[in-house]
Amino acid sequence: GDSVTQMEGPVTLSEEAFLTINCTYTATGYPSLFWYVQYPGEGLQLLLKATKADDKGSNKGFEATYRKETTSFHLEKGSVQVSDSAVYFCALLDSGGYQKVTFGTGTKLQVIP
Amino acid sequence: DAGVIQSPRHEVTEMGQEVTLRCKPISGHNSLFWYRQTMMRGLELLIYFNNNVPIDDSGMPEDRFSAKMPNASFSTLKIQPSEPRDSAVYFCASSSTGTRAEAFFGQGTRLTVV
Repeated sequence: GDSVTQMEGPVTLSEEAFLTINCTYTATGYPSLFWYVQYPGEGLQLLLKATKADDKGSNKGFEATYRKETTSFHLEKGSVQVSDSAVYFCALLDSGGYQKVTFGTGTKLQVIP
Repeated sequence: DAGVIQSPRHEVTEMGQEVTLRCKPISGHNSLFWYRQTMMRGLELLIYFNNNVPIDDSGMPEDRFSAKMPNASFSTLKIQPSEPRDSAVYFCASSSTGTRAEAFFGQGTRLTVV
C-alpha cells in the first residue's frame, strides 16, 4: 500500500538557518503530494502541494519539488523564523478512486532566536 | 465555506461513558477521514469514507470505536465505553476528487477520559 517516510525529528535550527525536511513516498499510480503544518494547539493546515512530477509547490517561503525518479518531496526554506516552529507532515493522496490521504509521522521543527 | 467543522472542541468524560464526536465536512467533498493524534503514536488514520461508504476501518483500534456517515454532510465517531487511553485529539478531514484534490482538516476535538 501507499506509505510516506519522513526524517525523524525534532529538528532544531537557529533563526535564518536553511531548512530541509526529507520526505520519500511509495505509491502506485501518480499521487498528489502535500506538506501540512501543525502549529501548537491547532489542526493541520495545508502548506503547499504538487500534483504531478516536476511540479514545485511553494508558500510562505517554503518549497518542495515532486521528484518522481527519486520518489521524494523534500521541504526546504532558505531562512527559517521562530514563527516557523511547528510540526510538518508530508502526505500523499492517491490517484485511485477513493482519494485516500496517507501521512508521514511528522517532523517537529524548533527554531531558536 | 466554513471549512470542516468538528464538535465539541473539548470533551472531558469519565471512564466507561459513551463519547460521540461530530464532523461536518466541506460541502461537495466526497471523502471523509477520522484521525487520532497522540504524543506516543502521532497521527493515526482510524477510518475513511468515500461517498458515505466506509472504505477502510482497519485503523479503528477496537470494537469500542465505531463511525458512521449517514449522509454527505455529517459523520460521527463514537467510543463506548471510553477508557483513559482513548485520551487524544481526534481530527476529521474531508477531500474532494480530481487532480486538485487536497484534504482539509477540522480544528479537532480534544478528548480527555478520566
